[in-house]
Amino acid sequence: QVQLQESGPGLVKPSETLSLTCTVSGGSISSYYWSWIRQPPGKGLEWIGYIYYSGSTNYNPSLKSRVTISVDTSKNQFSLKLSSVTAADTAVYYCARGPEMDVWGKGTTVTVSS
Amino acid sequence: EIVLTQSPGTLSLSPGERATLSCRASQSVSSSYLAWYQQKPGQAPRLLIYGASSRATGIPDRFSGSGSGTDFTLTISRLEPEDFAVYYCQQYGSSSWTFGQGTKVEIK
Repeated sequence: QVQLQESGPGLVKPSETLSLTCTVSGGSISSYYWSWIRQPPGKGLEWIGYIYYSGSTNYNPSLKSRVTISVDTSKNQFSLKLSSVTAADTAVYYCARGPEMDVWGKGTTVTVSS
Repeated sequence: EIVLTQSPGTLSLSPGERATLSCRASQSVSSSYLAWYQQKPGQAPRLLIYGASSRATGIPDRFSGSGSGTDFTLTISRLEPEDFAVYYCQQYGSSSWTFGQGTKVEIK
């Protein structure tokens, strides 16, 4: 069965760029949409954006100016970059297969702090 | 952007009772592209319902979804101990996907 695993630094300094990768195992990244979602401590879910395996993307308007999602089909991975981070970007970051998000990674905690 | 408003914020019920959760959209959700998720503490969300009323793989039939347009409902017919959790709705019918703020179902 398909499994997703997020990876990347758990601590990022303010004003720097947060970079995460989601590795897809047990299946192909082709023919699906792939999303990033985050959840600040004690709060609800926020959709960050998605990428289709072909490379087309769509982002949350509130984050659009800072977000880039890319895909590497040869590695069965897709990635998130969020620039100019602040403490408000501290959250658990999830990757998921969407749009009906039927497969999720376990999530990775990213803290923005100096 | 479509705003989803879930109510109530918290639902206090006993095991065996029926739970009815509401999700209202600020504008019509195209083709009933609405999903429901369950999240337990420390875990990733789990897909329960997609397309407003289709159960995801392995989801018990005590979970059902209904609705269209701007009003959607998740019903849990008889609460089991493992059903006490937070539930989110999500729409994916517009170019910008959004989640509701969540409803917590707690043990009374």
